[in-house]
Amino acid sequence: KQEVTQIPAALSVPEGENLVLNCSFTDSAIYNLQWFRQDPGKGLTSLLLIQSSQREQTSGRLNASLDKSSGRSTLYIAASQPGDSATYLCAVNLAGTYKYIFGTGTRLKVLA
Amino acid sequence: EAGVTQSPTHLIKTRGQQATLRCSPISGHTSVYWYQQALGLGLQFLLWYDEGEERNRGNFPPRFSGRQFPNYSSELNVNALELEDSALYLCASRLYGRVNTEAFFGQGTRLTVV
Repeated sequence: KQEVTQIPAALSVPEGENLVLNCSFTDSAIYNLQWFRQDPGKGLTSLLLIQSSQREQTSGRLNASLDKSSGRSTLYIAASQPGDSATYLCAVNLAGTYKYIFGTGTRLKVLA
Repeated sequence: EAGVTQSPTHLIKTRGQQATLRCSPISGHTSVYWYQQALGLGLQFLLWYDEGEERNRGNFPPRFSGRQFPNYSSELNVNALELEDSALYLCASRLYGRVNTEAFFGQGTRLTVV
C-alpha cells in the first residue's frame, strides 16, 4: 500500500529564507508526482508536476526534484514571502490505478 | 479558460438526509476525481470517473456514490448523512490516457451535517 509522508509537518520562517519541503513515498511505481498548495478552507492549486522519468522541474521561485528509486521528492522555495504561507501537499499518481495518493502536508508560515 | 468548478460552495444538511455535490471539469478533460478532506485529516480518495464510467473507488461505504454525465460533469451523492461526513469535498479533473498530465482541483464544497 502506497504511503506518502511529508516532513516537516509545520514550518515557520522569516521572510527571505530559502526553504526545503520533503515528501517521501513507499512505492516507486508511480506515473508522476505533483506538488500543490492549499490556502485555509480552499481548494488545491497545482504548483509543479514531475514525470516519473524526470529529475527536476522549475517554476519561478519553485524547484521540485524527484528521486523515484529512493522514494523522495523535495520542493525548494527560494526567497520566501508572506504570500507563500499555505499548506503544501505532494501527491503521487499510482501506476496502473491513476489514483492520487496525498501526503500529510507541510503547513508553512512566512513571517514578514 | 474556466477551471474546475464545484457547486454549491457550502451545504448544510441534517443527519439522515441526502447531499448532492456537483463538479464541472476543465473543458476537454474526461477524468473526474472526488476527494474528501475532513477537518485535520488528509485528502482521502473517494471516486474516479472517466468516459462516464466509475474506474476506481476508495474505502468508503456504498452510501457514497456518483455518476458522470455525457458532458463529463459529475455528481457526488451522499445518502443517509452522518455527522462525520462533514468535510470539504474536492473535485479534480485531468486528461485521461495521458499519464503525465496535471490534475486540477476545484475550490471545493464545504458540507456540514448537523
